Amino acid sequence: DAMVIQNPRYQVTQFGKPVTLSCSQTLNHNVMYWYQQKSSQAPKLLFHYYDKDFNNEADTPDNFQSRRPNTSFCFLDIRSPGLGDAAMYLCATSRQGGDRGYTFGSGTRLTVV
Amino acid sequence: RKEVEQDPGPFNVPEGATVAFNCTYSNSASQSFFWYRQDCRKEPKLLMSVYSSGNEDGRFTAQLNRASQYISLLIRDSKLSDSATYLCVVGTSGTYKYIFGTGTRLKVLA
Repeated sequence: DAMVIQNPRYQVTQFGKPVTLSCSQTLNHNVMYWYQQKSSQAPKLLFHYYDKDFNNEADTPDNFQSRRPNTSFCFLDIRSPGLGDAAMYLCATSRQGGDRGYTFGSGTRLTVV
Repeated sequence: RKEVEQDPGPFNVPEGATVAFNCTYSNSASQSFFWYRQDCRKEPKLLMSVYSSGNEDGRFTAQLNRASQYISLLIRDSKLSDSATYLCVVGTSGTYKYIFGTGTRLKVLA
C-alpha cells in the first residue's frame, strides 16, 4: 500500500546531541511537511517542501533543519535538542492542488534526556 | 483571532447520542476543509473532506457554511470507539499549507 513511513517510531536523544528523523513516501506526492505536536496541542508546521523548494515557517527555530534529497525522502535534523523539543514529530505529504488534505506518517516521538 | 478555532471540549456524551462540533475559520479565501481524527499518541487520520453541498459518510455528516465561515461535524449514534480528538483543517487556495484547529476532544461514555 502506498504510504508515508517515519523512522524510528520512538527516539531518545541526549540534550544537545544532534538527531535526525526520517520520512519516506510511496505516494509520489510533491509536497512534504514536518509538523511538531506537543501534548494536547494542534500540530505546528515547521517547514514544507514543494518539490525541492524549501519553505520555512517564520517562527521555526534555527535549531531545526530539513533536507529532501529526492521526491521520496525527507529528513528533519535537530542540531542541538533541548528539553523543550520533546514532542511528536509528524511527517505529512500532499499532492499539488491539495484538495485531498494530508497523508500523515505515524510519527516519531522524541524524548530528550 | 486564531485562523481556525475549535471548542477544545471535552464533550462527554453517552453511547447512542448525537453530537456536533463546529469549527470557525477567519480567512474568507479558504477553499478546502477537512475533519481529521486523532487518537491518543497517534497520528491524525483523515475522517472526511467537507464539500460545499455538505456530505455524509455513514454516521458522520459534514457541512460548510461559507457565509458564516464555519464547518461542522455531526456524529449520530455515538460509539465508544468514536472517542478521540477531532481536528478541523483548513486550506487556502494558492498555498500548500493547511491550518489546524486545536481539536475538540470527544469522550463517549458507556
